[in-house]
Amino acid sequence: GQQVMQIPQYQHVQEGEDFTTYCNSSTTLSNIQWYKQRPGGHPVFLIQLVKSGEVKKQKRLTFQFGEAKKNSSLHITATQTTDVGTYFCRGAGSYQLTFGKGTKLSVIP
Amino acid sequence: DAGVIQSPRHEVTEMGQEVTLRCKPISGHDYLFWYRQTMMRGLELLIYFNNNVPIDDSGMPEDRFSAKMPNASFSTLKIQPSEPRDSAVYFCASSFIENYGYTFGSGTRLTVV
Repeated sequence: GQQVMQIPQYQHVQEGEDFTTYCNSSTTLSNIQWYKQRPGGHPVFLIQLVKSGEVKKQKRLTFQFGEAKKNSSLHITATQTTDVGTYFCRGAGSYQLTFGKGTKLSVIP
Repeated sequence: DAGVIQSPRHEVTEMGQEVTLRCKPISGHDYLFWYRQTMMRGLELLIYFNNNVPIDDSGMPEDRFSAKMPNASFSTLKIQPSEPRDSAVYFCASSFIENYGYTFGSGTRLTVV
């Protein structure tokens, strides 16, 4: 199936720095989902965005859905060591839209 | 709720042997998905069920792979015969709506030697 593209693939940040990962699709999405997978763990659903231009916040995490509904971003303010893991987006609209390859975040204490 | 339950957590088997992975979805979730995760290919959808009926198995890599869902609370993914390239983490996930967030199980780490 079609994939959404995620960048960057890896990101190393100093604790306290901000972090952003981007998700891009060539087709319009009905919604986009974000997941976090801790090392050795399983993906955990974080949030779903549905509306064009939608912005949602979860504590230090800010999720945005683009106006054209083809891209999305996840921004973490002041990273902590507990933020370590891989962040995946999944473009939905059809089950055939698969997960992105993810952005692996490392936080240096 | 206990979440999505998968067993076993780890499986080491010899090439050529049959492997059966098991999954119990969250009660009330009508959709069940089987994913495979590797470093090279990321998360791949293998097959998914709606109300116990297989909807699309186009992601199943070969005839060696088969999946069943005999009832709403149980599904199996079988590999026969297994090969070293099948080594991966296999996740089961369930959802009450197709295009909403999935709840994943803890996965089965399969190693075929």
